[in-house]
Amino acid sequence: GQQLNQSPQSMFIQEGEDVSMNCTSSSIFNTWLWYKQDPGEGPVLLIALYKAGELTSNGRLTAQFGITRKDSFLNISASIPSDVGIYFCAGRARGTYKYIFGTGTRLKVLA
Amino acid sequence: KAGVTQTPRYLIKTRGQQVTLSCSPISGHRSVSWYQQTPGQGLQFLFEYFSETQRNKGNFPGRFSGRQFSNSRSEMNVSTLELGDSALYLCASSPGDRDLETQYFGPGTRLLVL
Repeated sequence: GQQLNQSPQSMFIQEGEDVSMNCTSSSIFNTWLWYKQDPGEGPVLLIALYKAGELTSNGRLTAQFGITRKDSFLNISASIPSDVGIYFCAGRARGTYKYIFGTGTRLKVLA
Repeated sequence: KAGVTQTPRYLIKTRGQQVTLSCSPISGHRSVSWYQQTPGQGLQFLFEYFSETQRNKGNFPGRFSGRQFSNSRSEMNVSTLELGDSALYLCASSPGDRDLETQYFGPGTRLLVL
């Protein structure tokens, strides 16, 4: 099935470092969502974006809706061990009710 | 508000059997989407139901089917199970009728086919 390009695929970082990941699409979206998934659990919504250029924060997390509407970015500042998990982006085009998901970024934090 | 609930959480079946999974959306949400998640394939969209009608469908064989009831609860059925059907099955709910809306996931049902 269709998936968005998400990078990096995985990353090891030191506790306290900042993390950046991004998602790109060949289609224009009017909604971008970012989720975090812990092993064996369902994805948990972190941030929702609805407007091109929008920058939204949730604690140490900040996400941006790309100006071209074909990409989105997620930044995590001052990472901590509980940030470990898989981060997914998801996008939805106007007039559709189907979300397309990224391939995921697996984050591992070294204490 | 209660979140999305899925039952059962874990299931073990053998090849050739069939299975039915259940999902109750957030109160007031009328759209339910189903996804299959495997380590190698990521999150794959199965289908989406809104007001008892299938509105979107992914690229899965006909062995995978679903339905939605008038109270928005949804079930998905997999017939003639294959080993490759072992996966985490996730459902997600959303209002379903807004141009800008958010989708929330349940905890998933882990299916193991032996």
